[in-house]
Amino acid sequence: NAGVTQTPKFQVLKTGQSMTLQCAQDMNHEYMSWYRQDPGMGLRLIHYSVGAGITDQGEVPNGYNVSRSTTEDFPLRLLSAAPSQTSVYFCASSYRGDEAFFGQGTRLTVV
Amino acid sequence: AQTVTQSQPEMSVQEAETVTLSCTYDTSESNYYLFWYKQPPSRQMILVIRQEAYKQQNATENRFSVNFQKAAKSFSLKISDSQLGDTAMYFCAFTNLINNNDMRFGAGTRLTVKP
Repeated sequence: NAGVTQTPKFQVLKTGQSMTLQCAQDMNHEYMSWYRQDPGMGLRLIHYSVGAGITDQGEVPNGYNVSRSTTEDFPLRLLSAAPSQTSVYFCASSYRGDEAFFGQGTRLTVV
Repeated sequence: AQTVTQSQPEMSVQEAETVTLSCTYDTSESNYYLFWYKQPPSRQMILVIRQEAYKQQNATENRFSVNFQKAAKSFSLKISDSQLGDTAMYFCAFTNLINNNDMRFGAGTRLTVKP
């Protein structure tokens, strides 16, 4: 089992560029989530999904899109990157909202 | 909305001693889960311990134990016999059983174990 795999690990974007952060899990978990981690603020929920074809907004959804076409994959799209989106991004999966298993994170810098 | 508060941004402890990290939360729900996650410099989020709110008995995992006070909405983590490898950020997290994909995290406590 690879668990939760995120790619890339590091990324630098210019303001206005778009990109997709990839997330895949091989544990057959129904629930998947995206968080951002900023200094002094812990992890904040961006978007989540309770199953294929179902997504919903979390605490800080603006500027991000998600889709869930399969159980395994949950990509996060930045539509037009802004410096305020500089952060570390984590993808997580869980079995019906219990213990969350996290990917290794993506450090994103927007210049 | 549920909130999680960790009032200790940084703490330090001598190797082999005991340290307690504090966490309080606010919720109107009666059924929920509480977690402590550890984040070492590698950035990986690692589950340390979990507690179901309906269980009165405090959870323990080897050197890690919690003091869960439901009425006070308090969930502290005690680390006994601290080891250098315990140096990390520690996050308290809450998730309710109604919308149990909305996990809320505290701001974290940076723990340093000194030799």
